[in-house]
Amino acid sequence: AQSVAQPEDQVNVAEGNPLTVKCTYSVSGNPYLFWYVQYPNRGLQFLLKYITGDNLVKGSYGFEAEFNKSQTSFHLKKPSALVSDSALYFCAVRDAWMDSSYKLIFGSGTRLLVRP
Amino acid sequence: DTGVSQDPRHKITKRGQNVTFRCDPISEHNRLYWYRQTLGQGPEFLTYFQNEAQLEKSRLLSDRFSAERPKGSFSTLEIQRTEQGDSAMYLCASSPQKERGPPLVTQYFGPGTRLLVL
Repeated sequence: AQSVAQPEDQVNVAEGNPLTVKCTYSVSGNPYLFWYVQYPNRGLQFLLKYITGDNLVKGSYGFEAEFNKSQTSFHLKKPSALVSDSALYFCAVRDAWMDSSYKLIFGSGTRLLVRP
Repeated sequence: DTGVSQDPRHKITKRGQNVTFRCDPISEHNRLYWYRQTLGQGPEFLTYFQNEAQLEKSRLLSDRFSAERPKGSFSTLEIQRTEQGDSAMYLCASSPQKERGPPLVTQYFGPGTRLLVL
């Protein structure tokens, strides 16, 4: 069965410092991996995705993520955090082999708090 | 380029009442998805349409839930005889049709409809 784990409920970081939000996944085939961000009382906003190719993918607002197949991880990173990055971040996976199923499986989310 | 829109944004109802939500996907996106998000959790898949065909339904979608997409454009999600456990954010997403090359698999989400059942 497909699953996503976000081991940290909350990540605290000072503005200007690098941030990492962790995600590990489990699928039977090759994964399609996504990061979304959610601001209070809003829907999910797409940040970036890994489909194939380079393991380091770049997305919106200076975020990037590194796909590591051996560790089944897709950690979200940013070199220098902003207070405005404070939000709820979700990792999601879809099994690329299950071509008939387009559903995304989401993690439980990680709250990022960037202090001034 | 307008995004996915959902109506209403908020709904308060009494237990036992029926509610209906609407989703308008991004223009020319032929795939449409419904998810439910409860407090402190990630979204959970409910159902998925390709054009007007409902191709997949989650076990979460009990008999009280029904979704339609009659003309392959907007979609409605109806909950009959609401229960307090139905209180959640209902999210709609859409994605374009697969094309040659890397599949266009990104789902774009609307703002959601927050349902509170009293």
